Amino acid sequence: DADVTQTPRNRITKTGKRIMLECSQTKGHDRMYWYRQDPGLGLRLIYYSFDVKDINKGEISDGYSVSRQAQAKFSLSLESAIPNQTALYFCATSSRAPLLVGYTFGSGTRLTVV
Amino acid sequence: AQSVAQPEDQVNVAEGNPLTVKCTYSVSGNPYLFWYVQYPNRGLQFLLKYITGDNLVKGSYGFEAEFNKSQTSFHLKKPSALVSDSALYFCAVRAWGGDSGGSNYKLTFGKGTLLTVNP
Repeated sequence: DADVTQTPRNRITKTGKRIMLECSQTKGHDRMYWYRQDPGLGLRLIYYSFDVKDINKGEISDGYSVSRQAQAKFSLSLESAIPNQTALYFCATSSRAPLLVGYTFGSGTRLTVV
Repeated sequence: AQSVAQPEDQVNVAEGNPLTVKCTYSVSGNPYLFWYVQYPNRGLQFLLKYITGDNLVKGSYGFEAEFNKSQTSFHLKKPSALVSDSALYFCAVRAWGGDSGGSNYKLTFGKGTLLTVNP
């Protein structure tokens, strides 16, 4: 099984619909992140969570919300989807060790808003 | 604030030739630098990192990167490219210390460089 699992892998939804993207991890990491990837823009941070009670906005949080249901689960919601939220979404995790090294990424969720 | 620049959207090289993918960064404090690779329809995979110590870092699949503090660069290199190296490459930076404030522990990514290795 993958260390970081994202569901669904692909989703097409209509404008105005609420949608939830889910992420679960078996790494035992405290920290979890949601990024979106757009061609030519790289990865941009939406939200991040350092533990269950610590959730923070990233650089592009408008139109999104998150829930950290447990250490291993971090969900991203689009309350009312719009076409410019069409993107590839990645969940990532990291440990809290100060010298820690990069992130472990999920395989991504490709979201299309029509 | 921390930032990463990958000045080339695309890099094309012939198989067997050396390759370089460029990255420059800006941080307050000490940089932790990373390279990730993304193959089509896959998530990002860690390639290598620079934390401290030797400026030449070796990573997975024969890749290496050279940290240059004076030029604030961390270019990815490989002596002999393979067609299977064709992918999207991301440089990332994380600050530790200095005036990095809340950016500690968060990675900032470049926009990515598409590497194509031609047979």
